[in-house]
Amino acid sequence: IAGITQAPTSQILAAGRRMTLRCTQDMRHNAMYWYRQDLGLGLRLIHYSNTAGTTGKGEVPDGYSVSRANTDDFPLTLASAVPSQTSVYFCASSLDSSYNEQFFGPGTRLTVL
Amino acid sequence: GQNIDQPTEMTATEGAIVQINCTYQTSGFNGLFWYQQHAGEAPTFLSYNVLDGLEEKGRFSSFLSRSKGYSYLLLKELQMKDSASYLCAVTDSNYQLIWGAGTKLIIKP
Repeated sequence: IAGITQAPTSQILAAGRRMTLRCTQDMRHNAMYWYRQDLGLGLRLIHYSNTAGTTGKGEVPDGYSVSRANTDDFPLTLASAVPSQTSVYFCASSLDSSYNEQFFGPGTRLTVL
Repeated sequence: GQNIDQPTEMTATEGAIVQINCTYQTSGFNGLFWYQQHAGEAPTFLSYNVLDGLEEKGRFSSFLSRSKGYSYLLLKELQMKDSASYLCAVTDSNYQLIWGAGTKLIIKP
């Protein structure tokens, strides 16, 4: 692994289903982030983690949950998907939370029908 | 509220110069970033400004005026591969990145 990876690349999901988007980084970055990007809107922060074992809510956290059991992994879970969660999801990481040069994964394109 | 404004779309000619502006109103300021995002790809880091003035990096330069809440990204000697969206983002007092919606730059031959 080099950098930050996400899985799956894309997914079509029925409304009401549970889905976990995976994110793994090998840069030993302390801070990690989940964003969604919708056409015409900027990146919107869903959840973040400043260090392993801690998480925080971003701008649009409703319907999503995260965990940070270790430094490398930061999964995002949709407990019961709804069509408004159709979006492109980006995971990102930065060395720490006080300097925000963020490195992004390739993204997951999620469609909820 | 926190707000970052940048033009939605700009068009420029190959070989020319283009300036993309960004104005911001945020709770505190701890730096401004410019990212490039090609269609269907992830954003990648271009520049970081925390002090007033111009930062030059090859064909790209970024300027910051903290008193005016203003930044611009200057792209020189435009190439077709520069066709992309350019995202302005500001670190607020809580060290959260606030993102603009991005400027789509179209380069014509």
